[in-house]
Amino acid sequence: RKEVEQDPGPFNVPEGATVAFNCTYSNSASQSFFWYRQDCRKEPKLLMSVYSSGNEDGRFTAQLNRASQYISLLIRDSKLSDSATYLCVVNEGNTGKLIFGQGTTLQVKP
Amino acid sequence: DARVTQTPRHKVTEMGQEVTMRCQPILGHNTVFWYRQTMMQGLELLAYFRNRAPLDDSGMPKDRFSAEMPDATLATLKIQPSEPRDSAVYFCASGLTQETQYFGPGTRLLVL
Repeated sequence: RKEVEQDPGPFNVPEGATVAFNCTYSNSASQSFFWYRQDCRKEPKLLMSVYSSGNEDGRFTAQLNRASQYISLLIRDSKLSDSATYLCVVNEGNTGKLIFGQGTTLQVKP
Repeated sequence: DARVTQTPRHKVTEMGQEVTMRCQPILGHNTVFWYRQTMMQGLELLAYFRNRAPLDDSGMPKDRFSAEMPDATLATLKIQPSEPRDSAVYFCASGLTQETQYFGPGTRLLVL
């Protein structure tokens, strides 16, 4: 079983749609969680951290469920510019190393 | 706007040749990471350094890969000899902690 699992997609949605991505992690000792965004042929960039209480940044909402070891990212009112791969990232726990999921690809269509 | 820089951006080489990739971390960042990204495996951590000391290189094939930080402004990743299965994008990232990482643009390596 992979340490961080994501549905690779692709998710094809129309502009304005709401889309949600999920991620599960295997290490119950993990303490820190993030979503990174990676555009085609570019480097990953931090989108947002994920806090236990859930957090929002504009159209983006991240949630964490420690009991189920599950993280989600919700994007409201999708824009064409949201098309990218979204990487779920979890720290390894004991070592603090970041473990990246394979990513979920989003395509927003006009 | 401070950025991580990597050279070369692209490299095509033949099997058996030595490949050296270079990274200049953001000034003041004391933690440097090397990752490899492929379609099959995704993003994998190869090695990381803190204050120029190697902390973990368990993700790196030891027989052919080596990573060093000759000084605070330069990190290198070397493959000798290279093999076709090493073809990937190699990213360097830097940060002040393990959790805050800024990635460079990557080196796209193709080994024929």
